[in-house]
Parts: sequence; C-alpha cells; structure tokens
Amino acid sequence: AIQMTQSPSSLSASVGDRVTITCRASQGIRNDLGWYQQKPGKAPKLLIYAASSLQSGVPSRFSGSGSGTDFTLTISSLQPEDFATYYCLQDYNYPRTFGGGTKVEIK
Amino acid sequence: EVQLVESGGGLVKPGGSLRLSCAASGFTFSSYSMNWVRQAPGKGLEWVSSISSSSSYIYYADSVKGRFTISRDNAKNSLYLQMNSLRAEDTAVYYCARDSYGDPDFDYWGQGTLVTVSS
Repeated sequence: AIQMTQSPSSLSASVGDRVTITCRASQGIRNDLGWYQQKPGKAPKLLIYAASSLQSGVPSRFSGSGSGTDFTLTISSLQPEDFATYYCLQDYNYPRTFGGGTKVEIK
Repeated sequence: EVQLVESGGGLVKPGGSLRLSCAASGFTFSSYSMNWVRQAPGKGLEWVSSISSSSSYIYYADSVKGRFTISRDNAKNSLYLQMNSLRAEDTAVYYCARDSYGDPDFDYWGQGTLVTVSS
C-alpha cells in the first residue's frame, strides 16, 4: 500500500498567516491526490482534487500543487474559519490511503 | 441537493455483526462509485471500502477484508456495509462518501454513524 506522510502533524498560526502543509507519497501517484478539511464533529470536506484543482465553492485562498511524490496545500491568508484538521488522500490506486492529518490551531 | 444519510450504527459486542446503510438523494445514485471511510475516536481518517456504480468493482482495506461486505441497491438509492466479526478496533464513526464525477476524490460525505464495539 502507498504510504502518505503528512507534515507537520500540527501547527499554530495567526489570522492572516500563510500556511503550508505537505504530503509525501511512498511512490509516484501522478497528480492523483485530494485535500480535505475537517472540523470537530463534522464530516470532511473536499478542498482540492487532482492535486491542484479547486473544488467548487472553496475560497481561492486555498491552493494545491505538486505531482509524483510531493504535494503541498497552501492557505494564502488564514481565516478564523480555517482552523481545522487537514488530510491528504491518494486516489492513484487501492487501497486508498490518507495522510495522518495536520491540525491547524490558533496561535 | 445531494444528501447522504447513514444509519445503523450502535453498540455491539466483540464478534457481533452490524449493517450500516447510507441513503442517497439529490443525484443519480446509479452513476457514481461510493465509499465507506471511518474515523476512530480522536484518530485520523481511514478508507474502508469502495464499490463501483454497477457493483462490478469492489475494494477493501486489509483491516476489514473477509469481515466486511460492501453492497448497493441502485433501485433503492442505497449503499450498505455489512460488518461481521467486529472487534474493538472497529469502533469508529463510519462515513459514506461519493466519488466525484470524472475524478475519484470524495466530493460529498454523510454526517456519519457511530459504531461502538464493546462488551
């Protein structure tokens, strides 16, 4: 199974900060990666698909990049509603595998 | 409006069985692959199983293979997960999620149903 290593596992940031989260795949997965946001007690929400495509309705401060093994989710200017946990998911093959998550907390 | 509503969770003893359901509405259910994803208390997300639109392709995580069975009834717009030989480590919130059309990411999720395996 493809391992997805996500870093950092947590970070503290202030409103307005630029935040970067990375995911590394244990083998090449082309651009078959999505990013999800999850708030406590809620279902995950798709933010980015195919590594860099913004899901409909998601604010443009979210962006994704990368291909092959290294991927990045960037929040250009952190907003209060962005404090949450973020996950990457590879959909290159089965079994699907999630990264371990990154909890973004208020500094 | 796309809606996915899970049901069937609850408390079950180790070794017991449970059947989860996911009722879909607001889209042509028979055109989409569907998935189950779970999240143990305080832990991350874990993909459990996927089924293609016509049930031709089915996949399982190693952790549930041989114990869980995914199925669907396109006439009833419903997805199922039959869970047998349940273990304490199967305790989690179980979400159903839809594959995005033309892309295998999960674009819609249900609210989840809690399964607790305990004696």
